[in-house]
Amino acid sequence: QVQLVQSGAEVKKPGASLRLSCLASGYPFTAYAVQWVRQAPGQRLEWMALINAGNGNTRYSQRFQGRLTMTWNTSANTAYMELSSLRSEDTAVYYCARGRGVSSGLFDSWGQGTLVTVSS
Amino acid sequence: DIQMTQSPSSLSASVGDRVTITCQASQDISNYLNWYQQKPGKAPNLLIYDASDLETGVPYRFSGSGSGTDFTLTISSLQPEDIATYYCQQYDNLPFTFGPGTKVDIK
Repeated sequence: QVQLVQSGAEVKKPGASLRLSCLASGYPFTAYAVQWVRQAPGQRLEWMALINAGNGNTRYSQRFQGRLTMTWNTSANTAYMELSSLRSEDTAVYYCARGRGVSSGLFDSWGQGTLVTVSS
Repeated sequence: DIQMTQSPSSLSASVGDRVTITCQASQDISNYLNWYQQKPGKAPNLLIYDASDLETGVPYRFSGSGSGTDFTLTISSLQPEDIATYYCQQYDNLPFTFGPGTKVDIK
């Protein structure tokens, strides 16, 4: 079955960088998009970025422009998200999700979530 | 960005009740509207896509309707396992955006 497994919880200091991974299985990795969505405590879900796992094309939310990078490794069926210049407001649970289609915003499978805490 | 609003923000209903949640988009999004269920401490789960299509494996008591700017999620007969927060989400335009959520619990 479709499964997305994310890397473990992180604690970071303000100004540091973060790299999360999302290992996909149970489906043809390059036929779908991988997206990142985060949820700050008590807040709504916030879409961050997507990567077309077929060709590596990326789209980012303007809110993170300049400090967010998505990459992927097709041989490892893994997508990565790097967020730099962390601040306390980046404290959140980060989810990867499969987009149904190479650039779709229809998230039909989700990872378990990774808690990221940014604190001095 | 397209703004999504939901009402009510929370509701309490009895088992077996019919529950309706509304979602409004700040501009026409056709039927590019999804509904997700999120239980505490868990990832969201897709319930309804394209405004009215039931995701495989989701119970038939869930249904969706609407197009343009106004949408509805209905639970025809509330069950204890439906306790969760429900989010709408548009994917007509980037950035994809979510509503603030509706928390549903049992009276």
